[in-house]
Amino acid sequence: KQEVTQIPAALSVPEGENLVLNCSFTDSAIYNLQWFRQDPGKGLTSLLLIQSSQREQTSGRLNASLDKSSGRSTLYIAASQPGDSATYLCAVNGNNRLAFGKGNQVVVIP
Amino acid sequence: GAVVSQHPSWVICKSGTSVKIECRSLDFQATTMFWYRQFPKQSLMLMATSNEGSKATYEQGVEKDKFLINHASLTLSTLTVTSAHPEDSSFYICSARDPTGGNEQFFGPGTRLTVL
Repeated sequence: KQEVTQIPAALSVPEGENLVLNCSFTDSAIYNLQWFRQDPGKGLTSLLLIQSSQREQTSGRLNASLDKSSGRSTLYIAASQPGDSATYLCAVNGNNRLAFGKGNQVVVIP
Repeated sequence: GAVVSQHPSWVICKSGTSVKIECRSLDFQATTMFWYRQFPKQSLMLMATSNEGSKATYEQGVEKDKFLINHASLTLSTLTVTSAHPEDSSFYICSARDPTGGNEQFFGPGTRLTVL
């Protein structure tokens, strides 16, 4: 069974700092990995999707890397803004089933 | 990206009643939809996989007679919580897989269920 762990569970950073969010998974046999953003009481917004054959994906200030062999992914958010405050979820797709981590709860302090 | 809607966005019901939640793919046809449940400060847990025109596949520990899933068309799946109890109170989220978009799942906005 795929186990997904996200560290740290929560963090606060001053505005302008770069954010580094970590995700680890136990089974490296995956199709892809997705990073989502979830605001309180809301659904999921897809941020980045990395296929298993890829090493990284970039969208604006966001960059996600994938090291399948070591079972790790990292989401970098450059020059954080208060609007980046949310919970970030990592989801690993194996056999067309998504396994989620518990999330990184981020607060960006103005 | 593809759009998935859910209705209602929130519902409050009395213990013992049944509640139906709808999940629709608005701009694509989804042969497969998924239902998740999320408790406060917890991860999303997959409840079942809904396949158009066939029976849903439930995850271990999920009661199929309590959580009825119907996927009657390529754009609509429904989840009915039967004889709801307070412990069923949760955030229910659906997703749909666009068969033309690889293995990416697109998520609905979720439904907050509160059972009194």
